[in-house]
Amino acid sequence: QVQLQESGPGLVKPSETLSLTCDVSGYSISSGYYWGWIRQPPGKGLEWIGSIYHSGSTYYNPSLKSRVTISVDTSKNQFSLKLISVTAADTAVYYCARVVPAPMAAGYWGQGTLVTVSS
Amino acid sequence: DIQMTQSPSSLSASVGDRVTITCRASQSISSNLNWYQQKPGKAPNLLIYAASSLQSGVPSRFSGSGSGTDFTLTISSLQPEDFATYYCQQSYSTSYSFGQGTKLEIK
Repeated sequence: QVQLQESGPGLVKPSETLSLTCDVSGYSISSGYYWGWIRQPPGKGLEWIGSIYHSGSTYYNPSLKSRVTISVDTSKNQFSLKLISVTAADTAVYYCARVVPAPMAAGYWGQGTLVTVSS
Repeated sequence: DIQMTQSPSSLSASVGDRVTITCRASQSISSNLNWYQQKPGKAPNLLIYAASSLQSGVPSRFSGSGSGTDFTLTISSLQPEDFATYYCQQSYSTSYSFGQGTKLEIK
């Protein structure tokens, strides 16, 4: 059974960098699929941040592309998100997910982690 | 950027009802449309991918249809566990944008 678990600071100061890691168990990242990050501000809808293939090729949401980096570490079977220059608008629950290529559908999700941007 | 608009934004229905939720794209997205269900405090759950393909393990009372700009998610006979928020998501452009959600409540 594939399981994903997000980890990282729950509080980030404005203008600083948000960094999260997703640990994957039950499946080797190197075996395929895309691996993605999706966020949800409190009480609001979902926003796709970006995704990465095990080879390192990435797709980023154009609205966030200038601030986002997603990377993968196959040796640790994990992938990571960095979002620079955060503001209060980046406060959200951040989910990591395994993404099926072609339909680009997120079939397995982590439980999500709340990141608050505040001084 | 492709905008996804769902209707209605909220819906009240009873157990056993047939329910349809609509999703409209601002431009043609072919069949690149996925549907998710989200319950409070939980991660979304994939129901339908590529407009009409049922995800493994999802009950057959869920179905999807449409292509181009107009899509529907139908629940043939509502069960108590189906009361949740539903989101569509386009996978045609790399924004992979979602609709604003449809909250399905018990009447």
